[in-house]
Amino acid sequence: KQEVTQIPAALSVPEGENLVLNCSFTDSAIYNLQWFRQDPGKGLTSLLLIQSSQREQTSGRLNASLDKSSGRSTLYIAASQPGDSATYLCAVGGGSEKLVFGKGTKLTVNP
Amino acid sequence: GAVVSQHPSWVICKSGTSVKIECRSLDFQATTMFWYRQFPKQSLMLMATSNEGSKATYEQGVEKDKFLINHASLTLSTLTVTSAHPEDSSFYICSATLLYDDTQYFGPGTRLTVL
Repeated sequence: KQEVTQIPAALSVPEGENLVLNCSFTDSAIYNLQWFRQDPGKGLTSLLLIQSSQREQTSGRLNASLDKSSGRSTLYIAASQPGDSATYLCAVGGGSEKLVFGKGTKLTVNP
Repeated sequence: GAVVSQHPSWVICKSGTSVKIECRSLDFQATTMFWYRQFPKQSLMLMATSNEGSKATYEQGVEKDKFLINHASLTLSTLTVTSAHPEDSSFYICSATLLYDDTQYFGPGTRLTVL
């Protein structure tokens, strides 16, 4: 059974700092991996999707990497802004479109 | 593009009543829709997968007779929580996928509170 763990559970940083969020998964036979953002009481916004054959994806200040063999992914956020404050969720896809989510990392960027 | 809406955004009901939640893909035809449940400070947990015109596939431990899913068209799926109880209080989120697209597009969620 696939399990997804995200560390840390919460992170507080000053504005402008670069930061890394971590995600690990127990079964390396994944189809893809996605990072989402969730604002309080809201739905999910897809940030980046990495296919199993890819090593990384970039979008603006965000860069996500994937190492299937070690069961790890990182989300790098450059030059963080207060507007980046949210919960970041990692989810792995098993090929049948089902996603298994981690509990998320709650990020607070202080002005 | 690829916008998913949910209605209502929040609902409060008495124990024993049934509640229907709608999930709509506004600008695309969704081949598959998913229903998730999220308890406070917990992961999103997949409840069921539904394809238009066929019966939903429920995850282990999810009661299909309690959580009725109808996927009547390529743009609408409904989740009915029957005889709701306080332990059913949760945040329910749907998502939808397009054909040949791995990305799941999520709705804004529905907060259900059962008194």
